[in-house]
Amino acid sequence: NAGVTQTPKFQVLKTGQSMTLQCAQDMNHEYMSWYRQDPGMGLRLIHYSVGAGITDQGEVPNGYNVSRSTTEDFPLRLLSAAPSQTSVYFCASSYTPAYEQYFGPGTRLTVT
Amino acid sequence: SQQGEEDPQALSIQEGENATMNCSYKTSINNLQWYRQNSGRGLVHLILIRSNEREKHSGRLRVTLDTSKKSSSLLITASRAADTASYFCATDRGTSYGKLTFGQGTILTVHP
Repeated sequence: NAGVTQTPKFQVLKTGQSMTLQCAQDMNHEYMSWYRQDPGMGLRLIHYSVGAGITDQGEVPNGYNVSRSTTEDFPLRLLSAAPSQTSVYFCASSYTPAYEQYFGPGTRLTVT
Repeated sequence: SQQGEEDPQALSIQEGENATMNCSYKTSINNLQWYRQNSGRGLVHLILIRSNEREKHSGRLRVTLDTSKKSSSLLITASRAADTASYFCATDRGTSYGKLTFGQGTILTVHP
């Protein structure tokens, strides 16, 4: 099993550009989530999904969009990048939030 | 605001010593999890303790949970240089299914 994969590993965007961070898992997990990690802030939940076709907002959803058309994939879209979105983004999956989360390796995003 | 708050923010010890990290939270929870993050990597699950459990062990790790004080502690015994990492607690709140909330983390440095 590949586990949780994220692409790209690094990305530099200009303010106003849009892009999609990809996340995929091959463990048949129903629950998937996106976090951002900023220095001294820990991880903050952006969006999550409890199954295909079901998504909900986390703690910091503004400026991000998600969809879940399949169990395996959970892409995160930045609609119009801002410097405040410079961060490291982690995708995670599990059977439910009550079980251990499996994290991807992260995407380091810089917005100039 | 963060549900989980770790204490101390940073801890520096010698190899062979024990390391204790604490986590406090504000609302009722279903479970509490501890994760480790090596520099530049994704998070790795260490241990999960449910709200009706008081103590759990896994190898050199010991986790306690005191729901009356809304706090948990992670003890790493006989620390090794390889234990150097950031450690995070995460809570699954009783009334917010799907929203796993992470604390800000404790940076542990173990000197050989």
